[in-house]
Amino acid sequence: GQNIDQPTEMTATEGAIVQINCTYQTSGFNGLFWYQQHAGEAPTFLSYNVLDGLEEKGRFSSFLSRSKGYSYLLLKELQMKDSASYLCASYNAGNMLTFGGGTRLMVKP
Amino acid sequence: DGGITQSPKYLFRKEGQNVTLSCEQNLNHDAMYWYRQDPGQGLRLIYYSQIVNDFQKGDIAEGYSVSREKKESFPLTVTSAQKNPTAFYLCASSIDREEGTQYFGPGTRLLVL
Repeated sequence: GQNIDQPTEMTATEGAIVQINCTYQTSGFNGLFWYQQHAGEAPTFLSYNVLDGLEEKGRFSSFLSRSKGYSYLLLKELQMKDSASYLCASYNAGNMLTFGGGTRLMVKP
Repeated sequence: DGGITQSPKYLFRKEGQNVTLSCEQNLNHDAMYWYRQDPGQGLRLIYYSQIVNDFQKGDIAEGYSVSREKKESFPLTVTSAQKNPTAFYLCASSIDREEGTQYFGPGTRLLVL
């Protein structure tokens, strides 16, 4: 079966750095997506990792270790608008996405 | 502007009633998807379609039906057989199933009266 685990909630302070972890156990793994979702809105694409290592995109970076079944999303210089849910999703054989439950991030002043 | 639209934003269903959620895209994407999102749970796949006039069941298809008569449109019907329909429904599309990045519509929140 497919299993994706990520923390339910996290809290961080404006201007700080936060790391959101995701572990996965999936068959036919092809890559790992991160999406951002503000309450009541559509998920928006953040990153897609296929190879091991860190990919940086502005204030957001995403890391993948295929051997460990592990990924993280790193958010730097946190802003209040970063308060949202962050969804980890594995891209598997059959070209399907399997989503984790999402991590709700609250950024405090 | 290219994008995915869903309507209505909120929908109320009475007991025993079928309701249809609209999803339209003008991105020229071949593949389209319907997900259900419940609080504290990840998105779960209801149905997906790779091309016009073809669709496949996802993980939780029972109580739902779809059609794909046009490339741009992928409506979802929540039938009376779906006993717990209250959820946030998200439609998504991708260039094709080989291209993994899916782009989502704004969602429809379905509530039961």
